[in-house]
Amino acid sequence: RKEVEQDPGPFNVPEGATVAFNCTYSNSASQSFFWYRQDCRKEPKLLMSVYSSGNEDGRFTAQLNRASQYISLLIRDSKLSDSATYLCVVTVLLTGNQFYFGTGTSLTVIP
Amino acid sequence: AAGVIQSPRHLIKEKRETATLKCYPIPRHDTVYWYQQGPGQDPQFLISFYEKMQSDKGSIPDRFSAQQFSDYHSELNMSSLELGDSALYFCASSLTGTEETQYFGPGTRLLVL
Repeated sequence: RKEVEQDPGPFNVPEGATVAFNCTYSNSASQSFFWYRQDCRKEPKLLMSVYSSGNEDGRFTAQLNRASQYISLLIRDSKLSDSATYLCVVTVLLTGNQFYFGTGTSLTVIP
Repeated sequence: AAGVIQSPRHLIKEKRETATLKCYPIPRHDTVYWYQQGPGQDPQFLISFYEKMQSDKGSIPDRFSAQQFSDYHSELNMSSLELGDSALYFCASSLTGTEETQYFGPGTRLLVL
């Protein structure tokens, strides 16, 4: 079983729509959480870290639910430039800082 | 701001050949990570180094080895290449003591024929 599970999508949404992605993790010792975005054939780029209190960065909001072991990402007012694959990432206590990636969720924003 | 540098960006090799990938972390970052991303897959952790010492080991094949040098750059050495080694190889770096966010280089695309 993978450490991190994501719905691969694809999600096809019109510009201006709100879209939400969820991610679940299996190890209760998971300690750090991130959302990265990856454009085709490019490197993953940090979108935001995820904290228990939730955090917001412009149109993006991330939430962490430790009890249910899931992480969410909400994108409001989608732009064409938001089209990418969104990767959920966790680290696990006592396994160093290696990243465990979800399979990614593909988003296409349509004009 | 300076980012992670990887070289070469593209590499074509034949089966059973060797390859060396290089990574130059962000200045002052003390930890380097290597990941392998096959077609249509998520990145898989291979190995990491902290202050020039191996700190963590993932799914790195025995045919591969890596090290970090005194200037903090790292090299991934791959021998007896197989067709299945064709992938994107990312290097990432982080600074211990911050929330240890990893910043990824542009990757080396390896094709084994």
